[in-house]
Amino acid sequence: DTGVSQNPRHKITKRGQNVTFRCDPISEHNRLYWYRQTLGQGPEFLTYFQNEAQLEKSRLLSDRFSAERPKGSFSTLEIQRTEQGDSAMYLCASLQSRVKAGELFFGEGSRLTVL
Amino acid sequence: DAKTTQPTSMDCAEGRAANLPCNHSTISGNEYVYWYRQIHSQGPQYIIHGLKNNETNEMASLIITEDRKSSTLILPHATLRDTAVYYCIRGAQKLVFGQGTRLTINP
Repeated sequence: DTGVSQNPRHKITKRGQNVTFRCDPISEHNRLYWYRQTLGQGPEFLTYFQNEAQLEKSRLLSDRFSAERPKGSFSTLEIQRTEQGDSAMYLCASLQSRVKAGELFFGEGSRLTVL
Repeated sequence: DAKTTQPTSMDCAEGRAANLPCNHSTISGNEYVYWYRQIHSQGPQYIIHGLKNNETNEMASLIITEDRKSSTLILPHATLRDTAVYYCIRGAQKLVFGQGTRLTINP
């Protein structure tokens, strides 16, 4: 247990539905990242936050995807009008940027299956 | 664009040192070299990172060449639990993962 919590762990949905994932980072961590991972591939960077500010979004993140981090604590990743290609593991990670560069703590991920 | 090159897979005997190479020939001066590993169905786990100097911690050693164009992760006494995909990453603010090396430790 790294201290990064993700919910739900598994989500099965029908194409066209909206889904939301939540990430609770380690409390003193000011930076939060979202990644997506499909079978046999490494994690793909999606976006990251410094406190509540979203600093970068990948071009992979279509306009159906939106991420928020209100008050710089937990974060949500919403996917609207899901497609079968959205099926993947969505990973959240956090770090304290002032303490140790690069030591990301990952959650166990939220697995999405779109039927 | 992962910007690092690693072998797709490697094998190592249990108890021996596992040496995992990584090429990052276009690394920038402010970019660190990080190593993470991922055991099946878990999130990636941090192993070690470095900028210029060699580093060692309780898990592994990291050897970075003087020109910083390549590095080697060393697991000194590999166990069966070290079987995982190992990712070598170069980065600053964000970490971009490549395909990694699938390391299998054999009994």
